Amino acid sequence: AQSVSQHNHHVILSEAASLELGCNYSYGGTVNLFWYVQYPGQHLQLLLKYFSGDPLVKGIKGFEAEFIKSKFSFNLRKPSVQWSDTAEYFCAVNALNTGNQFYFGTGTSLTVIP
Amino acid sequence: ETGVTQTPRHLVMGMTNKKSLKCEQHLGHNAMYWYKQSAKKPLELMFVYSLEERVENNSVPSRFSPECPNSSHLFLHLHTLQPEDSALYLCASSQDPPGRSGGRSAEQYFGPGTRLTVT
Repeated sequence: AQSVSQHNHHVILSEAASLELGCNYSYGGTVNLFWYVQYPGQHLQLLLKYFSGDPLVKGIKGFEAEFIKSKFSFNLRKPSVQWSDTAEYFCAVNALNTGNQFYFGTGTSLTVIP
Repeated sequence: ETGVTQTPRHLVMGMTNKKSLKCEQHLGHNAMYWYKQSAKKPLELMFVYSLEERVENNSVPSRFSPECPNSSHLFLHLHTLQPEDSALYLCASSQDPPGRSGGRSAEQYFGPGTRLTVT
């Protein structure tokens, strides 16, 4: 079945460590890709998005993600995490051949230890 | 008030009750969405509305009935729910649905959700 996979369910890092969260999808054709973040007690909010062009996209708060079409991946990275990055991170895909459908991963819980 | 608001924030209902969830967006967007978020499962897209017209209905049971009276308001009417329907129900909006814009203006803004418990 087509899906969005986030293999890391729970990640624990110390402050200043580097972060990489995996996201793989199985939809063919043109895709729009998103990372959303949900801080404790807050709404889901957009972290960054990819539509076309440069496969390396930069988002808010120092996050970036790289689209690798051949690997069907859109991994999220941050070179140095902070305690305030503790949150739940969700990868989402809109495959244009599915019209208005959005598919989300199960999320990755990130805990940053001061 | 800005953004996307949802009421109530918490709802407990019996299986024979009828209730409604309300969502309002103050962003001037043309598309609105209902999602279901259950523990350990991905967000599930339930319905998509574009300019008050339902454009997606993802095989959702008929005990969930959406209503979009205008582009700013979205309701989810609930009746004869089952305990497995207990979840967080999220509303979102975007400038346009992805099918219309090719995705470029489909960035979604989410509300805080309604935590529903069916007893």
